[in-house]
Amino acid sequence: GAVVSQHPSRVICKSGTSVKIECRSLDFQATTMFWYRQFPKQSLMLMATSNEGSKATYEQGVEKDKFLINHASLTLSTLTVTSAHPEDSSFYICSAGPRGGVRGEKLFFGSGTQLSVL
Amino acid sequence: SQQGEEDPQALSIQEGENATMNCSYKTSINNLQWYRQNSGRGLVHLILIRSNEREKHSGRLRVTLDTSKKSSSLLITASRAADTASYFCATAYATSYGKLTFGQGTILTVHP
Repeated sequence: GAVVSQHPSRVICKSGTSVKIECRSLDFQATTMFWYRQFPKQSLMLMATSNEGSKATYEQGVEKDKFLINHASLTLSTLTVTSAHPEDSSFYICSAGPRGGVRGEKLFFGSGTQLSVL
Repeated sequence: SQQGEEDPQALSIQEGENATMNCSYKTSINNLQWYRQNSGRGLVHLILIRSNEREKHSGRLRVTLDTSKKSSSLLITASRAADTASYFCATAYATSYGKLTFGQGTILTVHP
């Protein structure tokens, strides 16, 4: 079946540094990918929609200058947390679906990235 | 975006018992999906039910959907200790391809 690969699975960084998380669709092309954030014992909150070849669409309250999204190809989207601070510590997870998939049905999730900012 | 409501927030049962989790949502949907998440891990897709369906089965899972009440339930029969996890419902709205809105989740603990 279709697979979405997300790396790294875990990252620890110092406050003020930037961290890049990659989300790759391994066997299908994804014009759209989604980035979610999950705090401990809470639900997943959509952060942004990543569109291949164009700017990402951010949800209300998500700082686009803080969370940079690049979707340069049909198989890769990256999320960069810039100048990370302890409050950015969270579980980040991406999802993607193949082109032409029935609306909202064929979606695959990455395994997530646990970010810890010291 | 609006979040769905799930209840109970936590459920503790013995192996062999059935577990029922409920989910409510607020606007018209294209489909509703249930996911499982083990602690600190990614999501596992369990089952999808479309807005024109009322019930769906997959192994020990049974999902119902009542669009008039904007609610869904997930039943896990003959639960096992390995079913211990968080369960989330997620709704896909008709106007937004691939964009899921997740419920708050139910933490299920199955005691051996």
